[in-house]
Amino acid sequence: EVQVVESGGDLVQPGGSLRLSCAASGFTFSSYAMSWVRQAPGKGLEWVSAISGRGGSTFYADSVKGRFTISRDNSKNTLYLQMNSLRAEDTAVYYCAKSVRYHPVAGYFDYWGQGALVTVSS
Amino acid sequence: EIVLTQSPGTLSLSPGERATLSCRASQSVSSSNLAWYQQKPGQAPRLLIYDASSRATGIPDRFSGSGSGTDFTLTISRLEPEDFAVYYCQQYGSSGLPFGGGTKVEIK
Repeated sequence: EVQVVESGGDLVQPGGSLRLSCAASGFTFSSYAMSWVRQAPGKGLEWVSAISGRGGSTFYADSVKGRFTISRDNSKNTLYLQMNSLRAEDTAVYYCAKSVRYHPVAGYFDYWGQGALVTVSS
Repeated sequence: EIVLTQSPGTLSLSPGERATLSCRASQSVSSSNLAWYQQKPGQAPRLLIYDASSRATGIPDRFSGSGSGTDFTLTISRLEPEDFAVYYCQQYGSSGLPFGGGTKVEIK
């Protein structure tokens, strides 16, 4: 059974940093791209970042480019999102999502985690 | 970057009625690379439709997708109580993975 489980959500002050993790199981992790998608309270879905199966190719939404870094450790079947210079508008539930393709932006998402809440506030 | 616009924002219907949701792209979507997701309160999104018209595993046949180019439609032929939710379209295959703003299907 495919599972993706996020962790690391927390309350952080504006300007601070946080790292989210996503533990995957039930599939060959290195064969598929992974993405982070966020949802601000009461708002819609916003794609944040994507990474290829072996991690050599990454893509970012303009809203987080230069502040967030996506990475993966295929030996641990784990996806990461390093978030720096956090702003109030980054407050959201962050979902980890598995792509159906190896290339980061070539496919849709067939499995999602339950999300991790990040709150940016003083 | 492609921008997806969904309409209407809210659809008020009764169980048994037909729902028609629209997703319009700011430029042509290549190879019909469009997906639809359903999200219920407090839950993660669930894949319904991919490649504009293919149903995902386990999705009832009352859900259907159609369209190409810049105009796409999700149709729910007869609404069941569990279908009242928010629906999002998503484009894939270019430089990003944008979502539309969503359509809420609520009970009238």
